[in-house]
Amino acid sequence: AQTVTQSQPEMSVQEAETVTLSCTYDTSESDYYLFWYKQPPSRQMILVIRQEAYKQQNATENRFSVNFQKAAKSFSLKISDSQLGDAAMYFCAYRPRNLIFGKGTKLSVKP
Amino acid sequence: EAQVTQNPRYLITVTGKKLTVTCSQNMNHEYMSWYRQDPGLGLRQIYYSMNVEVTDKGDVPEGYKVSRKEKRNFPLILESPSPNQTSLYFCASSLSGYSYEQYFGPGTRLTVT
Repeated sequence: AQTVTQSQPEMSVQEAETVTLSCTYDTSESDYYLFWYKQPPSRQMILVIRQEAYKQQNATENRFSVNFQKAAKSFSLKISDSQLGDAAMYFCAYRPRNLIFGKGTKLSVKP
Repeated sequence: EAQVTQNPRYLITVTGKKLTVTCSQNMNHEYMSWYRQDPGLGLRQIYYSMNVEVTDKGDVPEGYKVSRKEKRNFPLILESPSPNQTSLYFCASSLSGYSYEQYFGPGTRLTVT
């Protein structure tokens, strides 16, 4: 079965510091996509960053970057220079065709 | 503006009273999907549709029905809602079943008493 595991239900970071959220997945597919979604209190699902499995280069979007380790089936999200607005639930997701989500990590940002 | 809309945004109903949550997208997307979100469980797929008149079950389809008569609309039907269907529901769409990005609607908070 294809699964996505986020081992940190909650995390906390000081404003302006860096935090890394972990994600591992289980698959037998060779071609797929990986995503990190952010869900703020408004409940809207916001795409933060995506990675194509065939690309070796790690994706980066401003302060957000990933560490994609295909052999280890690991896809962590690094948030640099954390801001108060980064506080949210973060979901890792994997897509061979349909999206499969992890259970989420709640990130708190301390001023 | 490209978007996925859902209605209603909030709904409180009673057990057994049939209801429909509408979903519409204006991006000419082929693929549409419904998810439910419950605390500690993340988002789980209910049903999806690869194109008009093509629908298939996701991970948690029991108690739900869908239809895809038009490309833009993908309503979620609860024929006889029960309290365990109290949840936050999201509709999403993407260009195709193999496109990498899904666009999400704003969510519908359903409470069944």
